[in-house]
Amino acid sequence: AQKITQTQPGMFVQEKEAVTLDCTYDTSDPSYGLFWYKQPSSGEMIFLIYQGSYDQQNATEGRYSLNFQKARKSANLVISASQLGDSAMYFCAMREAYSYNTDKLIFGTGTRLQVFP
Amino acid sequence: KAGVTQTPRYLIKTRGQQVTLSCSPISGHRSVSWYQQTPGQGLQFLFEYFSETQRNKGNFPGRFSGRQFSNSRSEMNVSTLELGDSALYLCASSLVGSGTDTQYFGPGTRLTVL
Repeated sequence: AQKITQTQPGMFVQEKEAVTLDCTYDTSDPSYGLFWYKQPSSGEMIFLIYQGSYDQQNATEGRYSLNFQKARKSANLVISASQLGDSAMYFCAMREAYSYNTDKLIFGTGTRLQVFP
Repeated sequence: KAGVTQTPRYLIKTRGQQVTLSCSPISGHRSVSWYQQTPGQGLQFLFEYFSETQRNKGNFPGRFSGRQFSNSRSEMNVSTLELGDSALYLCASSLVGSGTDTQYFGPGTRLTVL
């Protein structure tokens, strides 16, 4: 069965520094999609970045980039130049059965990032 | 373009009551999914709808049900509420719900059962 593992319950980073949030996944499906979401204390899940299993290049979206290592089954999120507003929970997720018509996402347990001045 | 909206944002109910939550997807999105988020269980998939049909269902008791209307708006219903149903209920929408589609989430409905 598909599974997402986030081993860092919490991370601290100083403003303007870069931080890497870890995510490993397990699936037997050759086709899958990986997502990262940010959840501030307000509760809303904000989409950050997407990586497809067949994408040749690592995804980037502004200050967010995804370090995708397919052989290791890892999809780490890198946030460059951290800002105070980046303080939030971060979730890694995978779309189950990418090959089929389903929207179901499997989520990890999340990492709480705190950015300090 | 307006995002996913959920109503109400907050609800307080007592055990045994029932509750209906509403979700309006992004315009043009036909797939709507629901998730339950609790501190103990994390984010768990409830069900998804596409073109008014339930396409997938999570491992929740039959007290949890949902439906989707022809305009893609969706509702979920929880009957005979239990204390453990206290949670943040998140709705998400996507274009067709597969492939590279991105799910966009609403602000959630925070349900408290007393």
